[in-house]
Amino acid sequence: EIVLTQSPATLSLSPGERATLSCRASQSVSRYLAWYQQRPGQAPRLLISDASNRATGIPARFSGSGSGTDFTLTISSLEPEDFAVYYCHQRDSWPFTFGPGTKVDIK
Amino acid sequence: QVQLQESGPGLVKPSGTLSLTCAVSGASIRSSNWWSWVRQPPGKGLEWIGEIYHSGSTNYDPSLRGRVTISVDKTKNQFSLKLTSVTAADTAVYYCARALTVFDYWGQGTLVTVSS
Repeated sequence: EIVLTQSPATLSLSPGERATLSCRASQSVSRYLAWYQQRPGQAPRLLISDASNRATGIPARFSGSGSGTDFTLTISSLEPEDFAVYYCHQRDSWPFTFGPGTKVDIK
Repeated sequence: QVQLQESGPGLVKPSGTLSLTCAVSGASIRSSNWWSWVRQPPGKGLEWIGEIYHSGSTNYDPSLRGRVTISVDKTKNQFSLKLTSVTAADTAVYYCARALTVFDYWGQGTLVTVSS
């Protein structure tokens, strides 16, 4: 099973600041890494697929990078609605797994 | 627009069977997608349970194998989850989702509590 580790666990920032979230895989997942945003009481929402492809309707302030075992989600300038939990997810091999999440909260 | 809607009992007794259905609208369950179940224990992260293709091919998380069955009903355009021998550890919000290479559409989720 591929284990995904996310850091930091919590990121405390102010609106307008840049957020950098990390996801590390225990073995290579090529580029089969996705990022999801989850707001309280809501289902997860797809942000990024294949490491760097923004999903339909996702603002350009969200970007993804990386391949192999190290991946990054960057939010260039935080908007109030971006304060949420972010999960990375690999579909390279079964069983598919999620990272434990990074909570981005308001400083 | 693709929509998924979970339904089923919100309370299941320990050692009983959890049964949920996901109704799909706006897309055919015969399309080239995997139809999946993901759960989230209260206050915790996301856990992949398993998936099914319209042909009936399935993949399950090994930690649940032996207890989990996912099936598809093409006539009703829906798929279902059965989890047997449940314990309090199975208490979670259960989501159904569509996946090709990623989960692009999700249901709103339904809370299932295991308690006597």
